[in-house]
Amino acid sequence: GESVGLHLPTLSVQEGDNSIINCAYSNSASDYFIWYKQESGKGPQFIIDIRSNMDKRQGQRVTVLLNKTVKHLSLQIAATQPGDSAVYFCAENKAGNQFYFGTGTSLTVIP
Amino acid sequence: DAMVIQNPRYQVTQFGKPVTLSCSQTLNHNVMYWYQQKSSQAPKLLFHYYDKDFNNEADTPDNFQSRRPNTSFCFLDIRSPGLGDTAMYLCATSRDPDSYNEQFFGPGTRLTVL
Repeated sequence: GESVGLHLPTLSVQEGDNSIINCAYSNSASDYFIWYKQESGKGPQFIIDIRSNMDKRQGQRVTVLLNKTVKHLSLQIAATQPGDSAVYFCAENKAGNQFYFGTGTSLTVIP
Repeated sequence: DAMVIQNPRYQVTQFGKPVTLSCSQTLNHNVMYWYQQKSSQAPKLLFHYYDKDFNNEADTPDNFQSRRPNTSFCFLDIRSPGLGDTAMYLCATSRDPDSYNEQFFGPGTRLTVL
């Protein structure tokens, strides 16, 4: 499988602050990326996706940025809330069926 | 509600005793995936079915097999579980491999091999 890695394994933020979670991917042919949130004991939950022909996509309180030049993906969470505490994974897809996941970042929101 | 269902949620088996994990979906998706997720690690793709076409990952041990008798169901068979197979097993679906579409995950089955 391909290597999709995250820079930081853990991240702690104060409630109300913005969070930024980073991801590096190695396959320049990847054309679709997804951010997942996984709470303890549950399956991954879709947050937001982005195609390789875009460099930014916004959702509700979340923004994904894609920099294909340096093969870097980031997830920004605005006004982080205690319910945002979870492990966040990026996943890449190479124009086919396979999704490969990064290492994961554990986000802890401090009240 | 349309969803991905996994049974059982928790499974304990003995070393070497075959075990089967079940996944069903009401989304009518063409693609079904099985992932293994060990503690504090990312999900690792084992294999997937596109309709009836089985696609194995190169590094998936032979000990892991899968069956998809129909669109709705997919099974993960572990023929001789080892201690290292203790993990969460996640089933996921996606609609169409030719489009950009997300995967929908089930809640997972937590397998413990003693």
